[in-house]
Amino acid sequence: EPEVTQTPSHQVTQMGQEVILRCVPISNHLYFYWYRQILGQKVEFLVSFYNNEISEKSEIFDDQFSVERPDGSNFTLKIRSTKLEDSAMYFCASMVEGRGTQYFGPGTRLLVL
Amino acid sequence: GESVGLHLPTLSVQEGDNSIINCAYSNSASDYFIWYKQESGKGPQFIIDIRSNMDKRQGQRVTVLLNKTVKHLSLQIAATQPGDSAVYFCAEILSSSGGSYIPTFGRGTSLIVHP
Repeated sequence: EPEVTQTPSHQVTQMGQEVILRCVPISNHLYFYWYRQILGQKVEFLVSFYNNEISEKSEIFDDQFSVERPDGSNFTLKIRSTKLEDSAMYFCASMVEGRGTQYFGPGTRLLVL
Repeated sequence: GESVGLHLPTLSVQEGDNSIINCAYSNSASDYFIWYKQESGKGPQFIIDIRSNMDKRQGQRVTVLLNKTVKHLSLQIAATQPGDSAVYFCAEILSSSGGSYIPTFGRGTSLIVHP
């Protein structure tokens, strides 16, 4: 069964460093998403991406964040200068059409020291 | 405050019992609801969904009930098994015209199934 994959599974970085989280959505899906989940809290929407552009973003997704689909398979989330409060699980999700079901990847656990 | 919340943060049941997990939502315009299961160290996994034109939907061992009058959603799991132990989230979506179709998640209920 096709699934969303994410790498790395864990990332430890120093405050102020740049990180890139990678996702490979399900191959025929057209809509892509990033979410984060701070330990013990709700899953929070960050950004949605369709047709090579951001379609929607939350207040969390500030200028330190960016997304890219550099090729036909990868979807990345970049945090330019990480802060301690960026420590969280980051989930990628994809959806085949605009009114379908989102399928989530296993997540990347980011720890900023 | 939370737009989507759960009444019980932890639910402990015996194997074989039926489980009921509740959720309250606040946006009366939400018209699509999803239950997700999240096992430790994994991403949310779709369980079942329901649209606002329905009040009940059944899947394999799971049933979702929607009461729009009181903005309440529940997930019923029949014959709960140890493998059902996980955190369960409800999510509300505004999918109609002008809606973003972005789910708003609740905090989750931890279901613990004792063998």
